[in-house]
Amino acid sequence: QQPVQSPQAVILREGEDAVINCSSSKALYSVHWYRQKHGEAPVFLMILLKGGEQKGHEKISASFNEKKQQSSLYLTASQLSYSGTYFCGTYRGKLIFGQGTELSVKP
Amino acid sequence: GAGVSQSPSNKVTEKGKDVELRCDPISGHTALYWYRQRLGQGLEFLIYFQGNSAPDKSGLPSDRFSAERTGESVSTLTIQRTQQEDSAVYLCASSLEAQREINTGELFFGEGSRLTVL
Repeated sequence: QQPVQSPQAVILREGEDAVINCSSSKALYSVHWYRQKHGEAPVFLMILLKGGEQKGHEKISASFNEKKQQSSLYLTASQLSYSGTYFCGTYRGKLIFGQGTELSVKP
Repeated sequence: GAGVSQSPSNKVTEKGKDVELRCDPISGHTALYWYRQRLGQGLEFLIYFQGNSAPDKSGLPSDRFSAERTGESVSTLTIQRTQQEDSAVYLCASSLEAQREINTGELFFGEGSRLTVL
């Protein structure tokens, strides 16, 4: 079952914050976040495990609410380099990705 | 090599022909995934290998698609009698399988094989 991401797209100015949400209809063991820049392969950002653990990567952090079967990715003080498509992946024996959220950061 | 290697990087073929796409994972990575990405779309799961076994083939779109892995290393994705809707980038990723039941390790993606079916 593919996780659902929202929003589908977001446009930011440099320095603004954004939140990308990922939800699943099934219980989750772990959630992965990846970023794909145009024409490139997806690159790993972080993994979150059961327990509401929050992980961080530079100015990008995420949370995992096991009970709500949701994860959120927080991008603070966005930079031009943050532009790309963000995918969450949920793991239940195999890693299935959401449809992606396209993030554009403008100067 | 240091990363996941895929070949060919680009393949143009005529409708009805068979194609083989190859993936060389990072040495020691026991898990290997194939995904398909159509233009402007997300990552569509195709198949997953744990060692040389494929516990889950549920993502293969039709019986024209098959995959194998040998020596817990190289994997080949074969598409028979290609159709125009098969045109996409086929991405391979590998990971160190960690805590298999509840998680997989970080996935390292190759650059993909871009398939165009005329």
